Amino acid sequence: EAGVTQSPRYAVLQEGQAVSFWCDPISGHDTLYWYQQPRDQGPQLLVYFRDEAVIDNSQLPSDRFSAVRPKGTNSTLKIQSAKQGDTATYLCASSFPGYEQYFGPGTRLTVL
Amino acid sequence: GDSVTQTEGQVTVSESKSLIINCTYSTTSIAYPNLFWYVRYPGEGLQLLLKVITAGQKGSSRGFEATYNKETTSFHLQKASVQESDSAVYYCALGEGSNYQLIWGSGTKLIIKP
Repeated sequence: EAGVTQSPRYAVLQEGQAVSFWCDPISGHDTLYWYQQPRDQGPQLLVYFRDEAVIDNSQLPSDRFSAVRPKGTNSTLKIQSAKQGDTATYLCASSFPGYEQYFGPGTRLTVL
Repeated sequence: GDSVTQTEGQVTVSESKSLIINCTYSTTSIAYPNLFWYVRYPGEGLQLLLKVITAGQKGSSRGFEATYNKETTSFHLQKASVQESDSAVYYCALGEGSNYQLIWGSGTKLIIKP
């Protein structure tokens, strides 16, 4: 069974640039999560979906961050105008509702 | 609010010695929290190590154990004899049943000395 895949694995930007992260969850998992993990901290949930619907995006900085999952499978997280404070690893996870989350390898973002 | 505390950012243990990684939690909104330990091995993604959903019970996996103690609000991770392959970052997390939004500790990096 293929795991959760993410791309790119690394990204380096200047402040003000845009970046998109892509996630392909495990086939059949209807719940998809995006986390931000700053260095030396635990993951912090940004948004999660059940199928194509956003269930909770209360922690997503809506002025610059957006996330979509249009067909209930793959998902894209986009940062419109990156800031140095966005430097972190961005993790995608998927699951069946109420069950173990399976994580991708993450995208390490550095904003200069 | 709800929180999970891991007091040690890094722990160094000699191979074959015993290990304890501390985790305490606080919750005001979750009546019956589920508790988890996740692990990230070098170069790999986070993966579930063990979970316990009932207070007083013990979870175990790969030689690791953790007991859900509601009185002390703790869920410490223990292993009797560590190996070099246990080198990783360990995260304690708190969740609510079917909601499954996890609240995470800051992680503890385990370094094994040969």
